[in-house]
Amino acid sequence: SQQGEEDPQALSIQEGENATMNCSYKTSINNLQWYRQNSGRGLVHLILIRSNEREKHSGRLRVTLDTSKKSSSLLITASRAADTASYFCATDAAGGTSYGKLTFGQGTILTVHP
Amino acid sequence: DAGVIQSPRHEVTEMGQEVTLRCKPISGHNSLFWYRQTMMRGLELLIYFNNNVPIDDSGMPEDRFSAKMPNASFSTLKIQPSEPRDSAVYFCASSLLRDETQYFGPGTRLLVL
Repeated sequence: SQQGEEDPQALSIQEGENATMNCSYKTSINNLQWYRQNSGRGLVHLILIRSNEREKHSGRLRVTLDTSKKSSSLLITASRAADTASYFCATDAAGGTSYGKLTFGQGTILTVHP
Repeated sequence: DAGVIQSPRHEVTEMGQEVTLRCKPISGHNSLFWYRQTMMRGLELLIYFNNNVPIDDSGMPEDRFSAKMPNASFSTLKIQPSEPRDSAVYFCASSLLRDETQYFGPGTRLLVL
């Protein structure tokens, strides 16, 4: 079963608005990452947050992590049409022997209308 | 920096044929991952290698799938014989062994008729 479950499955907003995507997972993690995928392309790493961190920023991105709730959120502020893409969370499970193995969620499709 | 290179970018084949997908990781990276992406199942890890050694192949769907990494700069994923349900986009990704960030190639879009 998928480690990460994203919500919502699809999000449609206007340029300039903020976009928030959520990710829930099931087991303890070392870190959680967010990736972006433009249509027909490979995934691109956006940001990583470790299990002992609660919030992280990178440009217009803000990621939060709540390990007690096993959930994370990705906030994109002042969205642009170019932010239109699918966004995936990926978890690196703690305590395993398969170091570096990521499990990806189903993704949120974000559409930003100009 | 060339990034992860995959070939071919598109492959159309008939059921029963052998398919070989190729990947060249980023120079200096020592972990390599093969993923499959479909609408129904999302992004699934098939197999990954550390220092050319297969570490976890639990995601390989069945014996028709095999992967090799003969050296640090090349890996193949082979499907023999191919079936229509193998139609998907196959991604290769690489990373440094102690760096959690993975760098993805552009993918190979496979259609098995």
